[in-house]
Amino acid sequence: EPEVTQTPSHQVTQMGQEVILRCVPISNHLYFYWYRQILGQKVEFLVSFYNNEISEKSEIFDDQFSVERPDGSNFTLKIRSTKLEDSAMYFCASRPGRGNQPQHFGDGTRLSIL
Amino acid sequence: DQQVKQNSPSLSVQEGRISILNCDYTNSMFDYFLWYKKYPAEGPTFLISISSIKDKNEDGRFTVFLNKSAKHLSLHIVPSQPGDSAVYFCAASAAGYGNKLVFGAGTILRVKS
Repeated sequence: EPEVTQTPSHQVTQMGQEVILRCVPISNHLYFYWYRQILGQKVEFLVSFYNNEISEKSEIFDDQFSVERPDGSNFTLKIRSTKLEDSAMYFCASRPGRGNQPQHFGDGTRLSIL
Repeated sequence: DQQVKQNSPSLSVQEGRISILNCDYTNSMFDYFLWYKKYPAEGPTFLISISSIKDKNEDGRFTVFLNKSAKHLSLHIVPSQPGDSAVYFCAASAAGYGNKLVFGAGTILRVKS
């Protein structure tokens, strides 16, 4: 069964450094998402992406965050200058098309900021 | 953000019996509801969903019930199996909100053999 893949599984970075989290969504999916889960908290929405542009972003997704679909398969989340509070599990998800269809998630990247 | 609430942090059930997981929501704009299952070190796995125009959806051992007037949904697992032990997340979305998912805090289900 097709799945969403995320790399790396664990990223350790010094505070202030830039980090790029990578995702390969399911190939025929059109909508892409990033979520994060801080330890002990709920899974929370960061950003959605469709037709090569951001369709919605949360308050968390400030200027230090950006997303990109550099080619036909990858979908990346960049954090420009990481802070301690960016430490979390980051999940990528994708959805086939319009309407009520489930999002399918990758296994996540655990980001640890030192 | 308390739009989706799962008030039971954990549930313990005997193998073969029914597991009932509950979820409440506050935003009347939500029109699509989903249940995800999550094992440690894995991402959420989609289980079953229901549109707001229905009140029940069934898939094998899993049934989701939606009570719109009470803003309540539940997931029934019958019969429960030890492999069902995981964290279960309720999530909701609205077409008017770009279909982003709003998650509950999750319920840890333990199925004892």
